[in-house]
Amino acid sequence: QVQLVQSGAELKKPGASVRVSCKTSGYTFGHYFVHWVRQAPGEGLEWMAWINPNTGGTNAAEKFQGRVTMTRDTSTSTAYMDLTSLRSGDTAIYYCARAESHQQLDFWGQGTLVTVTS
Amino acid sequence: DIQMTQSPSSLSASVGDGVTITCRASHTINNYLNWYQHKPGKAPKLLIYAASSFQSGVPSRFSGSGSGTDFTLTISSLQPEDFATYYCQQTYSVPFSFGQGTILEIE
Repeated sequence: QVQLVQSGAELKKPGASVRVSCKTSGYTFGHYFVHWVRQAPGEGLEWMAWINPNTGGTNAAEKFQGRVTMTRDTSTSTAYMDLTSLRSGDTAIYYCARAESHQQLDFWGQGTLVTVTS
Repeated sequence: DIQMTQSPSSLSASVGDGVTITCRASHTINNYLNWYQHKPGKAPKLLIYAASSFQSGVPSRFSGSGSGTDFTLTISSLQPEDFATYYCQQTYSVPFSFGQGTILEIE
């Protein structure tokens, strides 16, 4: 069965960086984009970026450009999201999700809580 | 960027009621519109994609319609497990924005 399993919670100081991993299984990794979505406390869902695991190509919302980097390891079917220059407003649950043909997000990771506090 | 506006922001209803949530895009998005259900502590769940296509395993009481800029999600005969927050999302152009969400509460 399709599974996306994310890395554990992170506690970071302002200015630091964080890496969240998303290990996939149950499908051909290179055939589906992986998207990243976050939810800050008390807020709605916010789309961040995607990666094409086949080519390594990426695209991110302008608000995150320059701070977010998506990579992948095809040997382990794992996608990674790095976010730099963290601030308190980056405190959120970060989700990875598999995208189908219409870019609809049909399978999601369990979420990773990233807390940014001094 | 395309802005997605949902209405209402919150909604109270009873088990057995039917409800409709609307989503309006600031620019035409053809049918690149998806609906998700989100419960606290869980990952969002895809309900409807391409405006009106059913995701596998989703109960038939959920349905979607619309194209262009105006879309609706209808839930007929609410069940206790349907009380959650619902989001629309456009995947027509980056950034793939979500609506602000509609909280569906038990009356």
